Amino acid sequence: AQSVTQPDIHITVSEGASLELRCNYSYGATPYLFWYVQSPGQGLQLLLKYFSGDTLVQGIKGFEAEFKRSQSSFNLRKPSVHWSDAAEYFCAYGGATNKLIFGTGTLLAVQP
Amino acid sequence: KAGVTQTPRYLIKTRGQQVTLSCSPISGHRSVSWYQQTPGQGLQFLFEYFSETQRNKGNFPGRFSGRQFSNSRSEMNVSTLELGDSALYLCASSLTTGTDTQYFGPGTRLTVL
Repeated sequence: AQSVTQPDIHITVSEGASLELRCNYSYGATPYLFWYVQSPGQGLQLLLKYFSGDTLVQGIKGFEAEFKRSQSSFNLRKPSVHWSDAAEYFCAYGGATNKLIFGTGTLLAVQP
Repeated sequence: KAGVTQTPRYLIKTRGQQVTLSCSPISGHRSVSWYQQTPGQGLQFLFEYFSETQRNKGNFPGRFSGRQFSNSRSEMNVSTLELGDSALYLCASSLTTGTDTQYFGPGTRLTVL
């Protein structure tokens, strides 16, 4: 079955430290990949997307992600985390339709 | 540009009742998709509407239905509510159907008692 895997349910990092959130997908075709962030009680905010082209994509709030076809991965990174980055992060796959398949999410906590 | 708006933001219903949720997409967007978010099942796709036609449907029972109006606004309806329908219902809009970037609204929190 088609799936998106986010292996880390919960991650805690110190403010100012670097961050990497993992995402793997199980599709053969060229994927369309997204990262969204959700603050408590809120909707999803788009951080960045990969459709084609450069495999390193830049997003908002200083986030970037790298698409690696050989590893079926689309990991999200940020060089220096701020306390306001504490939230839940979702990786999503889009195929030929607007039906997004989401991972289970990674909850990020930021220590002062 | 105003974002996706959803009304109401919070709703409490009892089992057996029905409920209608509303979504207004970003101006110019013609595709509206609905998702259900629960702690147990995560984010699941319900359906997508484009040009007043349902284009895609997720794996939900027929109690879940939707429609789209000529101004692209969309409604979803859940009939004969069950306790398990308690969830955050998210609406997302995009310019077109097919693969496109979806922008989400704040959601409607439905509680079924």
